[in-house]
Amino acid sequence: NAGVTQTPKFQVLKTGQSMTLQCAQDMNHEYMSWYRQDPGMGLRLIHYSVGAGITDQGEVPNGYNVSRSTTEDFPLRLLSAAPSQTSVYFCASSYRERNTDTQYFGPGTRLTVL
Amino acid sequence: KNQVEQSPQSLIILEGKNCTLQCNYTVSPFSNLRWYKQDTGRGPVSLTIMTFSENTKSNGRYTATLDADTKQSSLHITASQLSDSASYICVVSNYGGSQGNLIFGKGTKLSVKP
Repeated sequence: NAGVTQTPKFQVLKTGQSMTLQCAQDMNHEYMSWYRQDPGMGLRLIHYSVGAGITDQGEVPNGYNVSRSTTEDFPLRLLSAAPSQTSVYFCASSYRERNTDTQYFGPGTRLTVL
Repeated sequence: KNQVEQSPQSLIILEGKNCTLQCNYTVSPFSNLRWYKQDTGRGPVSLTIMTFSENTKSNGRYTATLDADTKQSSLHITASQLSDSASYICVVSNYGGSQGNLIFGKGTKLSVKP
């Protein structure tokens, strides 16, 4: 299994540009999430999904869109990039086991918005 | 407000020594508590997950403890190695343990020196 993969690894955008961060997992996990990580702050949840066709907002959803058309893929779209979206983005997937779940994170995408 | 506080912010120890990282939380209702290890430039990796009824869990040289009454957890690292240099993140899940209910601490940055 490749686990959780993210592309691209690095990206530089200009303010106002749009782009899609890709996330895929091959473990047939039902849950997938997007987080951003900024210096001095904990990971913050952007959007998450509990299954294909179902998405919900996290703590910091503004400026981001998601969709989940398949179990494997969970892309994150930046509609009009802003410098405040400069961050490291992590995708994670997990499955439920009793009352816990083990998260598996991707390697991250480092995004800079100029 | 649901919060997870970790201490110390950073720690430097010599190779071979033991250390203990602390996590205090004010999350209610409580579902489970996790410790993640995040190497520089990589995504977090799950070390342990403990539910309300578990007060200790080990993963090799890592031992996590949980006191649900005082809402405190610790991560003890035995006989540290250079590869233990990383950030350690405490994460608490409230009701249902679902993806939308994970509260992340800011992490403790551990440096192990030869």
